[in-house]
Formats: sequence, C-alpha cells, structure tokens
Amino acid sequence: EAGVAQSPRYKIIEKRQSVAFWCNPISGHATLYWYQQILGQGPKLLIQFQNNGVVDDSQLPKDRFSAERLKGVDSTLKIQPAKLEDSAVYLCASSGGFNQPQHFGDGTRLSIL
Amino acid sequence: AQSVAQPEDQVNVAEGNPLTVKCTYSVSGNPYLFWYVQYPNRGLQFLLKYITGDNLVKGSYGFEAEFNKSQTSFHLKKPSALVSDSALYFCAVRAGEGQNFVFGPGTRLSVLP
Repeated sequence: EAGVAQSPRYKIIEKRQSVAFWCNPISGHATLYWYQQILGQGPKLLIQFQNNGVVDDSQLPKDRFSAERLKGVDSTLKIQPAKLEDSAVYLCASSGGFNQPQHFGDGTRLSIL
Repeated sequence: AQSVAQPEDQVNVAEGNPLTVKCTYSVSGNPYLFWYVQYPNRGLQFLLKYITGDNLVKGSYGFEAEFNKSQTSFHLKKPSALVSDSALYFCAVRAGEGQNFVFGPGTRLSVLP
C-alpha cells in the first residue's frame, strides 16, 4: 500500500511570511494527525482529525496555525505569519483506529530566516 | 496527564551485543504503548505496540519490548544489534480511546562495528 505522502519536503521562508503543507494519508485511514518536531525533541501533536472533524487541536497555536481536512482525505496545515520558533519538521500521520499504529510521512522541513 | 520519559539521550552498543533502550511512562488507567524508529530525514516507523495480553511483545526487525506494570516501564530490546539499527528511537503512550499519543524525547542508538 502507498504510504503517507507529504509535500513539499523542504521549505525556506522569511519570518512573517505564510506557508502551507499538504498531506495525503493512507487510503481508508479515517484518523489524521499533524505533528511538529523541533530538532532534538519528540513529535508534538498539533491537531488530530477524525474524517473531516477536529478531535483535538488543544496544542495548535490558533493565532497563526490553521488546518483543514475538507473531504476527509487530504489535509493542509498553514502557518501565517511564521515566526522564527516555527522552524521544525512538520510530520503528518494517519491510522486506521485508535489503538492502531500511526503511519508517518517523511515530513516537511521548515526553515525560517 | 500522561507522560513518557526516556532517561538516556544516547545509547552506544557494539555490533552483535544485546541492546536495551529504556522507556518509563505515567498514565491514568491502562496504557497503550508504542515504539517507533526514525532514520535521518525520514518520518517515524512503527516497531511494536502493547495493548493488552502477553507482557513480552515482538515487533519488526527482531525488536521486542517488555511491559512491566509495577515499574511502569516498556523497555525496547534486541538480542543482537546491527550497525543498521543506528537511529533515533521514540517511545509513545496513549491513555485510551480518545486520548492522544504522547511521545518521549527520543534516544539515539549508535551501534559500533
């Protein structure tokens, strides 16, 4: 089966600019996650979707981050405006159930200048 | 609140020797426990999970982990390390349905030839 697809792989922007990341989960996976992984740390959950509904966005900085999964398949994560501390790898993952393992994409490495 | 600790930032082991990567957790109720591995510039890959049942769980690539409820630990083990096992290892816990994954900070494993 095809894995989780993410694009772009790398993005460099200046602070205060906006950026968007795209994720296509494994076919049939209802649950989709976005994580932020800062260098040297474990992934931190930003938002979790179940189909096209938000399950948890308690750690999403809503003043600058937004995410959507309109048709319950693909998802986009946006940052506007970006800050220096947003430099990180943004990982998308999907799973087939709550006690099922998550399958991760290779991530988007974001660098803020 | 649930949490995961990986007390060692770095573990070094000689090829052919057994390896252990430690994980302890704190969660209310019965935990769902996972191990993932991350290679450079890649997303996390699932190794194994404990949901219920036998305390010794076998996973991918010859890895296994032992759930110890009294010590709240879930250490990852492999009888004979390979150089290709060198990577970043993450332990994760989930308190149950509807609860989110919490990842540990990661342990870097180096297997020396």
